[in-house]
Amino acid sequence: GQNIDQPTEMTATEGAIVQINCTYQTSGFNGLFWYQQHAGEAPTFLSYNVLDGLEEKGRFSSFLSRSKGYSYLLLKELQMKDSASYLCAVLNQAGTALIFGKGTTLSVSS
Amino acid sequence: DTGVSQDPRHKITKRGQNVTFRCDPISEHNRLYWYRQTLGQGPEFLTYFQNEAQLEKSRLLSDRFSAERPKGSFSTLEIQRTEQGDSAMYLCASSLEGFNYGYTFGSGTRLTVV
Repeated sequence: GQNIDQPTEMTATEGAIVQINCTYQTSGFNGLFWYQQHAGEAPTFLSYNVLDGLEEKGRFSSFLSRSKGYSYLLLKELQMKDSASYLCAVLNQAGTALIFGKGTTLSVSS
Repeated sequence: DTGVSQDPRHKITKRGQNVTFRCDPISEHNRLYWYRQTLGQGPEFLTYFQNEAQLEKSRLLSDRFSAERPKGSFSTLEIQRTEQGDSAMYLCASSLEGFNYGYTFGSGTRLTVV
């Protein structure tokens, strides 16, 4: 079966750092993706991890531990525009479908 | 490149009617996906095309749903005899082969069945 868990909501203040966790239990694994989705808009690609470790891309970093079935997305120097839903997704074994978690709604306040 | 286009953006229909949505992927992308998203949930996979071949369908895709990609370019998703439970955002995405490119999503078609 497929199970991807992430917190439903998080809050933070401008300039702070926030870590959004994701745990997964899937029948196959071909990589883990993070997407950002603003209300009423399409999801946009943030990061991809297939090997263990940290991938850094500007203010955003993503970490993967395959043995623990665990990933996190780290957002630094938070800005108001970072208020959005953050979706964790696992690519299935066949590489044919992304399986998404329910998303974490992040609210950034001033 | 204008990204992934979906049409219409919004559709309101009466229960029992048929609806059809269109997706135009990024031109060089050979893979195309349909997802459904309801409020407060992540996107749920519906189906996947590689070129014109439909290679995978979710169990969520009941007999009332059909998708086509006749020439390996645009795709259509048809829902027959719509039900209120079909109300959702229908997202189309496309990608190149190779996992680290990610999917590019369209803005979606929001369906409301009344």
